[in-house]
Amino acid sequence: QLQLQESGPGLVKPSETLSLTCTVSGGSISSSSYYWGWIRQPPGKGLEWIGSIYYSGSTYYNPSLKSRVTISVDTSKNQFSLKLSSVTAADTAVYYCAMYAGTFHFDYWGQGTLVTVSS
Amino acid sequence: DIQMTQSPSSLSASVGDRVTITCQASQDISNYLNWYQQKPGKAPKLLIYDASNLETGVPSRFSGSGSGTDFTFTISSLQPEDIATYYCQQYDNLPTLTFGGGTKVEIK
Repeated sequence: QLQLQESGPGLVKPSETLSLTCTVSGGSISSSSYYWGWIRQPPGKGLEWIGSIYYSGSTYYNPSLKSRVTISVDTSKNQFSLKLSSVTAADTAVYYCAMYAGTFHFDYWGQGTLVTVSS
Repeated sequence: DIQMTQSPSSLSASVGDRVTITCQASQDISNYLNWYQQKPGKAPKLLIYDASNLETGVPSRFSGSGSGTDFTFTISSLQPEDIATYYCQQYDNLPTLTFGGGTKVEIK
């Protein structure tokens, strides 16, 4: 049974870079045909897919965030990471990491971590 | 980009009622649609995949139907533990994944 756990600062200053890590346990992040993704949810609002990385290393980003997002994998630590640059208050949200396979439905989720953008 | 429009945005129903939520895509997405349940403070949980397939372990009172642009999610007999927000999610326009705006279900 896969388990995912987000970690990172809960407070980021405006214009800085938000950095989060998702640690995967119960399975290998290098497993074929798995996608590892980030989704966020502003307080009281809906879900927004940020982007994903395929086990091969290919990355896919939401066009609305593409210019500010980088997702990477560290196979040695069984982790994948999110960097979102030039943040504003609008980036305040609960950030979830999640996994999906070729069926493109999110099967496993982390518990989520709240990131607040404020000075 | 494909837009997913859910309605209603919220609803209130009595225990035992039949509850229906719709999700409309801005273009044909075949059956490439999933439904999730999110309870307060929790991550979403997959209920229905490929428009009408019930995820393993999900109660049979939940069902989904539709194809093309119009989809329906139904709870046949609302239970107190079904209080949550429900989201649709399309995966036709790969690699972009898009969620609907959500429907909050409350008990009357």
